[in-house]
Amino acid sequence: DTGVSQDPRHKITKRGQNVTFRCDPISEHNRLYWYRQTLGQGPEFLTYFQNEAQLEKSRLLSDRFSAERPKGSFSTLEIQRTEQGDSAMYLCASSRTGTYGYTFGSGTRLTVV
Amino acid sequence: GEDVEQSLFLSVREGDSSVINCTYTDSSSTYLYWYKQEPGAGLQLLTYIFSNMDMKQDQRLTVLLNKKDKHLSLRIADTQTGDSAIYFCAENDGNKLVFGAGTILRVKS
Repeated sequence: DTGVSQDPRHKITKRGQNVTFRCDPISEHNRLYWYRQTLGQGPEFLTYFQNEAQLEKSRLLSDRFSAERPKGSFSTLEIQRTEQGDSAMYLCASSRTGTYGYTFGSGTRLTVV
Repeated sequence: GEDVEQSLFLSVREGDSSVINCTYTDSSSTYLYWYKQEPGAGLQLLTYIFSNMDMKQDQRLTVLLNKKDKHLSLRIADTQTGDSAIYFCAENDGNKLVFGAGTILRVKS
């Protein structure tokens, strides 16, 4: 069990650029979640997948955000035309149906300058 | 909507017990969770409690649930400097978790 891996760990980008993050869940986990955490706050739900199907999206996920999980394994989160307000830690988590809680990755810290 | 509230900061001396409190709003939550986050790291699941339980003990951790008052607490016995971190309470809302803002625990040696 290698845990949940996220890449990159840190990303600095200029406002207006597009960025893409990757998450590799624990291999036997069929559910994958994306959360966003800003300084001094708890994680906020963005979206979740069961296998390759995206089953729920938060209102926080504006049309500049898109997430995919094409083969039900790894997932990508893309942010287009980044804004300074997108600066945050983006956390990925995975779980298996019928189990409790999630396993989180270490996150990708995005800084938009 | 669902809301989870926690006190912001707790400072204890090494060896003392720590009690971190949380209130939640969704009475239909099936499970309630405690997560720990160390600086620059993701969240680590510490423990969880099923909503029909009053108490759960796991080594140095004791979780108390008062379902009537929608109050959850985490007690850490014999607190160590390595317990210094941010602790998040979370409730499940369907298939997602709703987190509080976190309680910073500082352990003084």
